[in-house]
Amino acid sequence: DIQMTQSPSSLSASVRDRVTITCRASQSISSYLNWYQQKPGKAPRLLIYAASSLQSGVPSRFSGSGSGTDFTLTISSLQPEDFATYYCQQSYTTPPTFGQGTKLEIK
Amino acid sequence: QIQLVQSGTEVKKPGASVKVSCKASGYTFTSYGISWVRQAPGQGLEWMGWISAYNGNTNYAQKLQGRVTMTTDTSTSAAHMELRSLRSDDTAVYYCARDRDNQWDIWGQGTTVTVSS
Repeated sequence: DIQMTQSPSSLSASVRDRVTITCRASQSISSYLNWYQQKPGKAPRLLIYAASSLQSGVPSRFSGSGSGTDFTLTISSLQPEDFATYYCQQSYTTPPTFGQGTKLEIK
Repeated sequence: QIQLVQSGTEVKKPGASVKVSCKASGYTFTSYGISWVRQAPGQGLEWMGWISAYNGNTNYAQKLQGRVTMTTDTSTSAAHMELRSLRSDDTAVYYCARDRDNQWDIWGQGTTVTVSS
């Protein structure tokens, strides 16, 4: 199985900060990388698919980049509603696997 | 609107079985697969398997092979996931999600399954 490793595991930031979360795959996954946001007690929400494509309805302050083994999710200007846990997930091969999550907290 | 609505909370004893349902609306059910993902308390996300709503083909996570069965009912646009021989480490929130080539763009609200004696 492909291992996905996110960093950091947790992050404190302030409203209007620019934040970057990284995700590394244990082997090349081309651009088959997706990002999800999850708030407590809620289902995950797809933010970015295919490494850099913004899912419909997701604010443009979210962006993704990368290919191969290294990927990033960037939030350009944090809003109060962005404090949540973020997961990367590879869709290159079965079984699809997730990173361990990055918890984004208010500073 | 496009949505997946799951069945309610379940409490089961070890060794029992549970069946979770997921009803789709707002889109052509047979045009997508359904994946099931679970999340143990305080933990990350774990893919359990996938079923094609078009032809019923399935692909299960290796660790669940033999204990899980996924089915669909196209007459009601519903998917079902049955997990047998429940253990305490099966305690989790179970999600169904619309599968778009292993990208999950629509999720159910989650079903809490607690396994306890």
